[in-house]
Amino acid sequence: DAKTTQPPSMDCAEGRAANLPCNHSTISGNEYVYWYRQIHSQGPQYIIHGLKNNETNEMASLIITEDRKSSTLILPHATLRDTAVYYCIVRVGEAAGNKLTFGGGTRVLVKP
Amino acid sequence: DGGITQSPKYLFRKEGQNVTLSCEQNLNHDAMYWYRQDPGQGLRLIYYSQIVNDFQKGDIAEGYSVSREKKESFPLTVTSAQKNPTAFYLCASKGLGGEKLFFGSGTQLSVL
Repeated sequence: DAKTTQPPSMDCAEGRAANLPCNHSTISGNEYVYWYRQIHSQGPQYIIHGLKNNETNEMASLIITEDRKSSTLILPHATLRDTAVYYCIVRVGEAAGNKLTFGGGTRVLVKP
Repeated sequence: DGGITQSPKYLFRKEGQNVTLSCEQNLNHDAMYWYRQDPGQGLRLIYYSQIVNDFQKGDIAEGYSVSREKKESFPLTVTSAQKNPTAFYLCASKGLGGEKLFFGSGTQLSVL
């Protein structure tokens, strides 16, 4: 699986959009980008994933650059409950197996 | 309710002792995973299993052992060979063809 690089931490203001970057410059054509978040002392929670098209769900939006070497997770209106560690991972589909590895993530602090 | 259950929530190990962490899921998922998380760090993959009676080493398997005798259960044993076992341990599962990892609530292991 391709390695990802994320900033270790970032702050954002409550009610504003939070834009979380992720670099995955060695991503292969069949690798998906996934985002999870982990609130303190809990198990991570799935947020969203995509291959090459931008994706949106009730939690967030995922913007993937045209060359697929980086992506941005957007939390449109951050709340205090969005304070968490956000993990960006890339993995191939089912045919290549199920090994899933996480990096260090970005620690996001939403401030009032 | 369907989900993934880890027990116990807190566990203490004496020097030289083996301890086993339980992970049970009723989601009918084929793949199961064990991750270790140290304070302020990301998740590191210990072992994973894609089908019953089969499992593979992750990135930090030394000092750990697993079994997968039943589809719903994937216990992790922390052996005396693991010299620094204090960490937060997370179990996860994923269905065949599924996109999301589902995580348990974790077990905090400490050494007495």
